Amino acid sequence: GAVVSQHPSWVICKSGTSVKIECRSLDFQATTMFWYRQFPKQSLMLMATSNEGSKATYEQGVEKDKFLINHASLTLSTLTVTSAHPEDSSFYICSAREDRPETQYFGPGTRLLVL
Amino acid sequence: DAKTTQPPSMDCAEGRAANLPCNHSTISGNEYVYWYRQIHSQGPQYIIHGLKNNETNEMASLIITEDRKSSTLILPHATLRDTAVYYCIVRVGGSAGNMLTFGGGTRLMVKP
Repeated sequence: GAVVSQHPSWVICKSGTSVKIECRSLDFQATTMFWYRQFPKQSLMLMATSNEGSKATYEQGVEKDKFLINHASLTLSTLTVTSAHPEDSSFYICSAREDRPETQYFGPGTRLLVL
Repeated sequence: DAKTTQPPSMDCAEGRAANLPCNHSTISGNEYVYWYRQIHSQGPQYIIHGLKNNETNEMASLIITEDRKSSTLILPHATLRDTAVYYCIVRVGGSAGNMLTFGGGTRLMVKP
């Protein structure tokens, strides 16, 4: 199957700082990427849909000014958590959609801990 | 997208077949059945998907009932590394379909 990478795999930061997470499709082009968040013992929750060259679409309850998404190329989307607080500590996972066949592939996830 | 119902947990003996059921009684004609799994602390892994015919690949088989209201994922010879949460997701395929909505999934425990 297709490969999606994420960087960094884990990050610890101080409250108030910003953290950028990269998501790359390594062997295919993805016009659409998705960002999910997962809290312990819970299922994945979609945060936003990222479309190459246009603004991201955020799910209800997700602050677009806090979670900045940029999808500047067909292989890279970034999620920036601005002014991170302890409640933003979570497991962030991206996925990229391959069009033929139409399937989503997930990255390994980024574990964020805000102190 | 149609809602799915899965048992919260299942056990399976190593080397035996694991049969994971999924109910999707409100599925529409243009909705596909997708299966993903998530091993602890990793991103979800695509397993298989189908529309109405049974499907098989190197990882698993997908059996969809004729009325498409339920399906079964079969891992033919489960190993300890198959211990994971398995998600059954129903969604529209093609460009009309976008995000995947994850439910609670089934936590499969493969035991020696």
